[in-house]
Amino acid sequence: GAVVSQHPSRVICKSGTSVKIECRSLDFQATTMFWYRQFPKQSLMLMATSNEGSKATYEQGVEKDKFLINHASLTLSTLTVTSAHPEDSSFYICSALQGADGYTFGSGTRLTVV
Amino acid sequence: EDQVTQSPEALRLQEGESSSLNCSYTVSGLRGLFWYRQDPGKGPEFLFTLYSAGEEKEKERLKATLTKKESFLHITAPKPEDSATYLCAVEVTGGSYIPTFGRGTSLIVHP
Repeated sequence: GAVVSQHPSRVICKSGTSVKIECRSLDFQATTMFWYRQFPKQSLMLMATSNEGSKATYEQGVEKDKFLINHASLTLSTLTVTSAHPEDSSFYICSALQGADGYTFGSGTRLTVV
Repeated sequence: EDQVTQSPEALRLQEGESSSLNCSYTVSGLRGLFWYRQDPGKGPEFLFTLYSAGEEKEKERLKATLTKKESFLHITAPKPEDSATYLCAVEVTGGSYIPTFGRGTSLIVHP
């Protein structure tokens, strides 16, 4: 089946630094990818929709300058958390729409900002 | 506003004790309803897509059903390895391909 590879799975960074998370579709082309944030025991909160070759569409309340999204190819989207702070610590997940069977998700990235 | 509500929030079962998880939705028009399984520290894993009322799908010990207002995920004779959080999501007609997720049901199956 379709696979979305997300890296890194875990990252710890110092406050004020930037962290890049990659999401790759391995065996299909994804013109659209989605980035979610998930807090403990909470649902997936959509942050932005990443469109290949164009600007991402951010959900209300998500800071565009803090969460930079780049979708430079049909198989790669990246999320960069800039000037990270402890409140940015969370579980970030990407997904891509793959055919009629819905969305394929990456394995997630646990970000801890210290 | 489109809403997806899952119940119960948490469920503890003994191995072999069958039960059902509920996903009720309020949307302008349903394009599809998805069920996912999520293990701790992992991304959601696709289980089923349902498109119309009356539709049913099965996979091993899981069976998903759909009505005009809700979906059930029936778990028959669960095993400890079925322990996970089960997420429901809906996609509405006339909109973009962005699903709305419920908060999930955390299932623990005791041996």
